[in-house]
Amino acid sequence: GAVVSQHPSRVICKSGTSVKIECRSLDFQATTMFWYRQFPKQSLMLMATSNEGSKATYEQGVEKDKFLINHASLTLSTLTVTSAHPEDSSFYICSAKRLAGGLSYEQYFGPGTRLTVT
Amino acid sequence: GENVEQHPSTLSVQEGDSAVIKCTYSDSASNYFPWYKQELGKGPQLIIDIRSNVGEKKDQRIAVTLNKTAKHFSLHITETQPEDSAVYFCAAQGDSWGKLQFGAGTQVVVTP
Repeated sequence: GAVVSQHPSRVICKSGTSVKIECRSLDFQATTMFWYRQFPKQSLMLMATSNEGSKATYEQGVEKDKFLINHASLTLSTLTVTSAHPEDSSFYICSAKRLAGGLSYEQYFGPGTRLTVT
Repeated sequence: GENVEQHPSTLSVQEGDSAVIKCTYSDSASNYFPWYKQELGKGPQLIIDIRSNVGEKKDQRIAVTLNKTAKHFSLHITETQPEDSAVYFCAAQGDSWGKLQFGAGTQVVVTP
């Protein structure tokens, strides 16, 4: 399968600071990447869709000014959690769409980033 | 929008037995149905998928079936092994952006 990396894998930050998470597709180009949030023992919640060279599309209820997404290249998307608060503590996972043949796509996930805000 | 329901929420099986997880979806336009395995503290791993022009797909011990008329699809794991223990998520995709709607997940525990 395709490889998607995330960095950092774990981060602890103080309340009020900002944290940047990087998501890279290592062996394919991804015009579209997605950012998810996952709480313990729950399913994945889509936060936003990131398209290379254009603004991200945020899901209802997700604050775009708080969760800044940049998709500057076909292999890199970043999520910045601005002015983080303890309630932002969560497991953040990115995924990337890869062309699987014809017009079909597959979606591969990164290993996730555990954010803890103290 | 799409709504995916997944059952059961937990599944305990003896090593060597089969495990079956079932999902239903609401949007008849959905045409892609992947299954992901997530181990503790890791990201989901794509293990198998099926598209709407296929009824069944198999990869070694894993198989997926799709019934478009009834709008349900299932994951079958045969000859289960302890390393199959994980949370499994089904998903359905219907829009052109590729947004996936996930089921709630099934915790599978394989006991030796």
